[in-house]
Amino acid sequence: GQQVMQIPQYQHVQEGEDFTTYCNSSTTLSNIQWYKQRPGGHPVFLIQLVKSGEVKKQKRLTFQFGEAKKNSSLHITATQTTDVGTYFCAGPQAGTALIFGKGTTLSVSS
Amino acid sequence: DVKVTQSSRYLVKRTGEKVFLECVQDMDHENMFWYRQDPGLGLRLIYFSYDVKMKEKGDIPEGYSVSREKKERFSLILESASTNQTSMYLCASSLSTIYNSPLHFGNGTRLTVT
Repeated sequence: GQQVMQIPQYQHVQEGEDFTTYCNSSTTLSNIQWYKQRPGGHPVFLIQLVKSGEVKKQKRLTFQFGEAKKNSSLHITATQTTDVGTYFCAGPQAGTALIFGKGTTLSVSS
Repeated sequence: DVKVTQSSRYLVKRTGEKVFLECVQDMDHENMFWYRQDPGLGLRLIYFSYDVKMKEKGDIPEGYSVSREKKERFSLILESASTNQTSMYLCASSLSTIYNSPLHFGNGTRLTVT
């Protein structure tokens, strides 16, 4: 069936360094969503990308949707300790609902 | 702001017990979902519902059933709990189009089956 894969699974950075997580789908997606889950918390919606090649920014976070609508990335510039958590991408699976990647867990040391 | 409330934060049950996990949303959302989250496996969809009394299987429905008698309430039922169902269970709701609407999650229920 359709899969959504995320890499890396874990990433540790020093505060101030950049961070990127990548999401790849086995099929073309109508849209892709990104969520953040803080330690001990629940996933919280960050953004949705719909158009081919779309780029959206939220302060230090930059989200991209690939031209073929099969991949996406989240880039964080100059990480802060508040960025710690697990970042998930999610895409619609035909016949069901959103399926999630396994997530990238970001840790930041100051 | 959307509120999705799960009835228990922590639950401990014995093998073979029938377990009910309750979820209520207060924003008149059409769609409701149950996911389970396990380390290294991410979020996996168990069941979802796009209307009252309607239910659809997700990727891992075995050992579970659901009930949606009212629009705001979606219950997950473990007919006979087993130790491999020890997990974090997350309920979510979304407003309209099931493939495009953002999910709003509850705080989760951490279930331990002994």
